[in-house]
Amino acid sequence: DAGITQSPRHKVTETGTPVTLRCHQTENHRYMYWYRQDPGHGLRLIHYSYGVKDTDKGEVSDGYSVSRSKTEDFLLTLESATSSQTSVYFCAIGGGTGGNTIYFGEGSWLTVV
Amino acid sequence: QKEVEQNSGPLSVPEGAIASLNCTYSDRGSQSFFWYRQYSGKSPELIMFIYSNGDKEDGRFTAQLNKASQYVSLLIRDSQPSDSATYLCAVNVSGNQFYFGTGTSLTVIP
Repeated sequence: DAGITQSPRHKVTETGTPVTLRCHQTENHRYMYWYRQDPGHGLRLIHYSYGVKDTDKGEVSDGYSVSRSKTEDFLLTLESATSSQTSVYFCAIGGGTGGNTIYFGEGSWLTVV
Repeated sequence: QKEVEQNSGPLSVPEGAIASLNCTYSDRGSQSFFWYRQYSGKSPELIMFIYSNGDKEDGRFTAQLNKASQYVSLLIRDSQPSDSATYLCAVNVSGNQFYFGTGTSLTVIP
């Protein structure tokens, strides 16, 4: 195991409500990522972090924000959830310079009704 | 054009046969290449990575990279029913940017 824990693992929420997903790592890795996975689209990067308080946008960042106040925690927030954000969300760690491998957490299944 | 293209399948092979999975990528500056396996309802798990042109073998798995033609392939020898999964190709364009294909679904028939 890559030492990545996501919470919650499953959540159902209503449209318009805020939602926060948490990713916790025990590997002390500098880089952390949030992906979403949808049929026909594969894994798409939402946001990533390259250090405490250092984050950047990925290809599908609209409607999402992130924060990283500690090395081990990377939070993904949906400010006002929409049905289009129903998806599986994966946290990953690794990567960085040299293109090192990234490893995934177990995923968080989010349903927005 | 997508960064990484894979045939979605499904690909079916009999048990014991060789399964061949292919992937093409668009950015010639891509530096490293990865194959992940994903079982239904689970997270992707790394099978292999390859950085240089040619073949890289690890047990029953062989990754092949041809940068001139911009393709990566994964061969699974002696396929087992437990190999039935979706296989994701990933390309690292720069240190922080990993692009994934949509995956190829493989079924190994006993």
